[in-house]
Amino acid sequence: NAGVMQNPRHLVRRRGQEARLRCSPMKGHSHVYWYRQLPEEGLKFMVYLQKENIIDESGMPKERFSAEFPKEGPSILRIQQVVRGDSAAYFCASSPGTGVYEQYFGPGTRLTVT
Amino acid sequence: GENVEQHPSTLSVQEGDSAVIKCTYSDSASNYFPWYKQELGKGPQLIIDIRSNVGEKKDQRIAVTLNKTAKHFSLHITETQPEDSAVYFCAARSGSRLTFGEGTQLTVNP
Repeated sequence: NAGVMQNPRHLVRRRGQEARLRCSPMKGHSHVYWYRQLPEEGLKFMVYLQKENIIDESGMPKERFSAEFPKEGPSILRIQQVVRGDSAAYFCASSPGTGVYEQYFGPGTRLTVT
Repeated sequence: GENVEQHPSTLSVQEGDSAVIKCTYSDSASNYFPWYKQELGKGPQLIIDIRSNVGEKKDQRIAVTLNKTAKHFSLHITETQPEDSAVYFCAARSGSRLTFGEGTQLTVNP
């Protein structure tokens, strides 16, 4: 049973470019969460999605950041016009559904903005 | 919103000793408390969790205790081994999100 998959594992972007991070949840999981981890810090919640719905985006910056989880395909976290402060590890987690609290994390995407 | 504090930030023990990491939370509505182990360059791995209606849970060398009144919970690792060396994060679930502590770097010296 494959775990949560994220790609790319490493992404380098220049300031002003766009970054697209992908997350495929575990098989049978319909809930996806995105977290950001700055160097030597804990994980910070960004957004919670179910298929075709954003449930809670209160942790996501209002500008430049967006997320989606389409009916088919992976969840996408999109960062437009990246700045150096966006450099971080971005982790995706998935859970089976409502009432199940466990969240299983992917290996992360390490974004470096030069 | 929820606030989780974790102590200590670093912990060094000798192989075979026990390690204890403590966390406090602020939101009395939080109802689920997982612990994650993160190795360098990898994603967090769920190692044990506890729900608010349970006071203690054990899985082999790992145990977690929860004191709802005091709003704190702890991770206990017994008979530590070098492969236990990693960063450990506690978290509290409030609503649908997890709020994480800042992490504890555990080093087990052979």
